[in-house]
Amino acid sequence: GENVEQHPSTLSVQEGDSAVIKCTYSDSASNYFPWYKQELGKRPQLIIDIRSNVGEKKDQRIAVTLNKTAKHFSLHITETQPEDSAVYFCAASTGGFKTIFGAGTRLFVKA
Amino acid sequence: DVKVTQSSRYLVKRTGEKVFLECVQDMDHENMFWYRQDPGLGLRLIYFSYDVKMKEKGDIPEGYSVSREKKERFSLILESASTNQTSMYLCASSRGQERDTQYFGPGTRLTVL
Repeated sequence: GENVEQHPSTLSVQEGDSAVIKCTYSDSASNYFPWYKQELGKRPQLIIDIRSNVGEKKDQRIAVTLNKTAKHFSLHITETQPEDSAVYFCAASTGGFKTIFGAGTRLFVKA
Repeated sequence: DVKVTQSSRYLVKRTGEKVFLECVQDMDHENMFWYRQDPGLGLRLIYFSYDVKMKEKGDIPEGYSVSREKKERFSLILESASTNQTSMYLCASSRGQERDTQYFGPGTRLTVL
């Protein structure tokens, strides 16, 4: 069936460095790719999303890139801060009701 | 601001008990979802509903059922709880096909002894 692979599972960076999380998807019909951030003990919340007609999207320190040919997309966080520490989930959707989530990346930002 | 609430944050039940988890959203969203979250497995879809009284199986529906009698409320039912159903359960809602962003509830951590 459809799946989304996410790497790495754990990422540790120094404050101020950049962090990159990568995902690949299997369903070529996927056209919507959201990223969710889940802080410890809290609910997942959307931080950025991208649709298939766009190759890159940026919002302040976070950006997402999409390569539809290779079926992979990435989250980039620049100038990381301790409050960026969380679990990040990528996801892929075909525009219907079903969204497939990656397994998550636990990001640690060391002060 | 979208608000999705779940009936309990923590729940402890015994094997064989019938368990009800309730989710309510206040933004008139058409779609509602139940996921379970386990370490290293991400979010796995149990069931979803795109309209009142409509339901569709997700990836792991075995051992669960759902009910959606009103648009704002989506219930997850464990007919006979088992220890392998110990998990974090997350409810979510979304507006419809044009907007896929899902809004999550705070989660219910269920422990089955």
